[in-house]
Amino acid sequence: DGGITQSPKYLFRKEGQNVTLSCEQNLNHDAMYWYRQDPGQGLRLIYYSQIVNDFQKGDIAEGYSVSREKKESFPLTVTSAQKNPTAFYLCASSLDRKEKLFFGSGTQLSVL
Amino acid sequence: GENVEQHPSTLSVQEGDSAVIKCTYSDSASNYFPWYKQELGKRPQLIIDIRSNVGEKKDQRIAVTLNKTAKHFSLHITETQPEDSAVYFCAASKKSGGYQKVTFGTGTKLQVIP
Repeated sequence: DGGITQSPKYLFRKEGQNVTLSCEQNLNHDAMYWYRQDPGQGLRLIYYSQIVNDFQKGDIAEGYSVSREKKESFPLTVTSAQKNPTAFYLCASSLDRKEKLFFGSGTQLSVL
Repeated sequence: GENVEQHPSTLSVQEGDSAVIKCTYSDSASNYFPWYKQELGKRPQLIIDIRSNVGEKKDQRIAVTLNKTAKHFSLHITETQPEDSAVYFCAASKKSGGYQKVTFGTGTKLQVIP
């Protein structure tokens, strides 16, 4: 079940702590995305990146940061500024200018 | 920005019956409408999609219809089976600054009762 790999599957954050979620893809896709999934709210876009060393804020970027140093990797950092980080985080990728999204298996982040 | 509304939030049907999920969107510039299925504990996967120049598309037991004038689109599942039980998300998508911006609905939890 290759394609997009997210790790860890479960993550716990302490008060004031930054945590980083990993997302790696071997599909040679140009575009990568981070979504947040809350019960009853669907998927909301946090950040996206179309090419290496470039990324853009999505609809709910506050309290999050990303980097895109390699085509295959798009890690998401949940900073201490994100006051309500408990959610299921999904990473996705797509071929450049193609609409179909391929999702990872997700990371459940909880606050201790 | 785009707003996608999805109904119902939960749906229970008897095995063999049909299921219909409806979505509306607000931005007339949206031109691509995918449907994703997310089984419990698994990743969302695309099951069917439709473009704005098409009114209906069918793939075996699933079909999607689009009414551009009314800005609504629907997913139809016929002869439902227990393995159809999942959360279904509709989405509306458009080009925005060279990027395909996708806005998701809030999801419908479908339960197929054997």
